[in-house]
Amino acid sequence: EIVLTQFPGTLSFSPGERVTLSCRASQNIGTSYLAWYQQQPGQAPRLLIFGASNRATGIPDRFSGSGSGTDFTLTISRLEREDFAAYYCQHHGRSPTFGQGTKLEIK
Amino acid sequence: QVQLVESGGGVVQPGRSLRLSCSASGFIFKTYDMVWVRQAPGKGLEWVASTRFDGSDDDYADSAKGRFTISRDNSRNTLFLQMNTLTVEDTAVYYCAREGVFHSMDVWGQGTTVIVSS
Repeated sequence: EIVLTQFPGTLSFSPGERVTLSCRASQNIGTSYLAWYQQQPGQAPRLLIFGASNRATGIPDRFSGSGSGTDFTLTISRLEREDFAAYYCQHHGRSPTFGQGTKLEIK
Repeated sequence: QVQLVESGGGVVQPGRSLRLSCSASGFIFKTYDMVWVRQAPGKGLEWVASTRFDGSDDDYADSAKGRFTISRDNSRNTLFLQMNTLTVEDTAVYYCAREGVFHSMDVWGQGTTVIVSS
């Protein structure tokens, strides 16, 4: 089983700033099968990025993903108030696994 | 529009069973693999089970193996999760989701809440 570790657990930033979230896999997963999701409190998750770097339909271009192998990042170039939420990385292989999540808070 | 709507959640005693449903609309349901994902209160996301587009193959998390069964009725555009021998650890919001490109979960339902309590 592939284990995904997200760090840190909580980040505090201000609107307008740039932030990078990290996700590390326990083994090499290439690039095709890493996704990022955003979840607002009380809402279902929303797909942001698939295949490590591809934005999903309707996702603003301030969101970008990168990485390969075991280390992946999600970058939000200019934080807007609606971006403060929880973010999860996911290995979307045959038996999907999620990271434990990073909560992005307003400083 | 593309939509998934879960139902069937509720309060159930430990050891009892529950069947969740997920009704799909706005896309060709029979061509997509589907999954169930859950989220315990205050916790992260946990994949539960997956099924192929034609129901030919299933996969389960260790926490669900032997107790949960995923199934689908493509004629009714509906996904199911039969949950048996429920425990308090199964208390969660249960989401159904569609698997899209590279099996990422590109469409999610709003979730249905299952509470296992005596």
